[in-house]
Amino acid sequence: DGGITQSPKYLFRKEGQNVTLSCEQNLNHDAMYWYRQDPGQGLRLIYYSQIVNDFQKGDIAEGYSVSREKKESFPLTVTSAQKNPTAFYLCASGYGGAHNEQFFGPGTRLTVL
Amino acid sequence: QKEVEQNSGPLSVPEGAIASLNCTYSDRGSQSFFWYRQYSGKSPELIMSIYSNGDKEDGRFTAQLNKASQYVSLLIRDSQPSDSATYLCAVNLRHGGSQGNLIFGKGTKLSVKP
Repeated sequence: DGGITQSPKYLFRKEGQNVTLSCEQNLNHDAMYWYRQDPGQGLRLIYYSQIVNDFQKGDIAEGYSVSREKKESFPLTVTSAQKNPTAFYLCASGYGGAHNEQFFGPGTRLTVL
Repeated sequence: QKEVEQNSGPLSVPEGAIASLNCTYSDRGSQSFFWYRQYSGKSPELIMSIYSNGDKEDGRFTAQLNKASQYVSLLIRDSQPSDSATYLCAVNLRHGGSQGNLIFGKGTKLSVKP
């Protein structure tokens, strides 16, 4: 079954804790992306990676970190330095290139208690 | 600042009518344009991609692109209550610039009334 999976679906974090969100794809896509969605706002790009072992900051990378050790996996760590982490986190993947079609996973809803 | 603008809505249409969703973008060199559908509480689903001027039809959906006017639209014919969702417009920045970035509009909420 091909697709993009994210886990967990819901995540609760205490202030001061780091948490890691998982994103896996078996579509053989080269590029992977992390977005954040807040109510009333458009999707905002956190980090993206177009090839294994390489990634770039997006528009709102502060307080986040990523790794891309395998083509299939692009985990996102939300650190305690992120001031307002409560949001819907969306992972996407695609072949990249000039057209850059992107397909989304089901998302992780993070709530800071 | 690269921007993508959409009316937030809600846009309300009766069942069976044509729903027309509009999007304007600021980067004249943009190459690729996408429409995503997002149901409440769910992730966005890609429903249309368009790369050249004119119309592209897929079932009940038609995307229209006018690069000179920096305008892209989505028409939904024979609207159904199941089409009720938020529709996101996304634009790919020009190749060779900030490659890899889609810029998303805030979305238009569509409500189809039975």
